[in-house]
Amino acid sequence: SYELTQPPSVSVSPGQTASITCSGDKLGDKYSCWYQQKPGQSPVLVIYQDRRRPSGIPERFSGSNSGNTATLTISGTQAMDEADYYCQVWDSGTVVFGGGTKLTVL
Amino acid sequence: EVQVVESGGGLVQPGGSLRLSCAASGFIFSSFSMNWVRQAPGMGLEWISFISSSSSTIYYADSVKGRFTTSRDSAQNSLYLQMNSLRAEDTAIYYCAPSTLGTVFTGYGMDVWGQGTTVTVSS
Repeated sequence: SYELTQPPSVSVSPGQTASITCSGDKLGDKYSCWYQQKPGQSPVLVIYQDRRRPSGIPERFSGSNSGNTATLTISGTQAMDEADYYCQVWDSGTVVFGGGTKLTVL
Repeated sequence: EVQVVESGGGLVQPGGSLRLSCAASGFIFSSFSMNWVRQAPGMGLEWISFISSSSSTIYYADSVKGRFTTSRDSAQNSLYLQMNSLRAEDTAIYYCAPSTLGTVFTGYGMDVWGQGTTVTVSS
């Protein structure tokens, strides 16, 4: 079965750029999505089709996907961006989620 | 307002059954595929099932295949998850999540999430 690997945690200072990676075999050949989940809340889709933002998602969220790595980038990170982030792809009839990355803004 | 509301969760003994429901509103339910995703306490997201808009295609995660059944009723704008032979490891918050931007297998993701319904499997 297909696997996605994310770092368990990433730290960033307010106003700086945060990058969260997601690795998988030939991941660049698939479309990636990213979800944000704050404590006690439901997930929110922040990126789909590698780099597209749903309506209402701030421009500071961007995505890329090439080779074996997809990356979620948050520019000018704010305290409100502190959350768990999950990457997701579709592979052979299944939806696959990464293990999640806890983003700490400090 | 586009929304989904899950219901039907509760406490059930190992080996028991439960039926979850998901009521959709604010979008043309019959036009979009739906997913069930769960999250065990303190853990990450786990996808468990996909159903196409017409119910012609249904997929399951290996962890629930043969035990869970997904169905939908467009007349009721509702999605269902029949869960049988429940195990302790099925304890989780269960979310239904449609893909109203496009299909999940073309990279559109799941863009609407409810608050989920909690299932606890314990004796």
